[in-house]
Amino acid sequence: ETGVTQSPTHLIKTRGQQVTLRCSSQSGHNTVSWYQQALGQGPQFIFQYYREEENGRGNFPPRFSGLQFPNYSSELNVNALELDDSALYLCASSYGDGYTFGSGTRLTVV
Amino acid sequence: AQKVTQAQTEISVVEKEDVTLDCVYETRDTTYYLFWYKQPPSGELVFLIRRNSFDEQNEISGRYSWNFQKSTSSFNFTITASQVVDSAVYFCALSMYSGGSNYKLTFGKGTLLTVNP
Repeated sequence: ETGVTQSPTHLIKTRGQQVTLRCSSQSGHNTVSWYQQALGQGPQFIFQYYREEENGRGNFPPRFSGLQFPNYSSELNVNALELDDSALYLCASSYGDGYTFGSGTRLTVV
Repeated sequence: AQKVTQAQTEISVVEKEDVTLDCVYETRDTTYYLFWYKQPPSGELVFLIRRNSFDEQNEISGRYSWNFQKSTSSFNFTITASQVVDSAVYFCALSMYSGGSNYKLTFGKGTLLTVNP
């Protein structure tokens, strides 16, 4: 079975720009969740997609949005980037309560 | 609200020592799961163990063991005979139902474990 792949691995953006992060889910997993992990902190839940619809959202503003595709892969979009958006973004695919995490995308906003 | 507290920010041990990582959680749910994850410098969260709220039986899996006590809302994790490769950040997490058919994770802030040779 394949794991979870995230791309890109590293990214540098300028404040105010927009960014798209991508995640391929593990085979057989129909749910994708996104987490933001600031330096020295635990991951924070952004939102979850199940069968192409948002299915739960954490305390993040609307400029954080996402998509899930028929093959269960997903995108995380962040508009109007702020310096505080600099973090490791982790994607997790799941089926029920079994999670598989990717290695994350390290986003730096300058 | 759900909350996970890992009071130990950093722990440093010498190889072969046993080490216990503490985790205290808060939830009003009666059905939940508790997890421990390991995060090496590469960033990926590696699943270690999971326990559901109805099973307080403590077990040992290789060098890992855990102590789940609902009465004190604690879910402590022990590594026996630690090795240098165990050096990583360890996260305790609580899984609650978030609607639909799946769950979301609430993480603690993590404990940085350094195992010195």
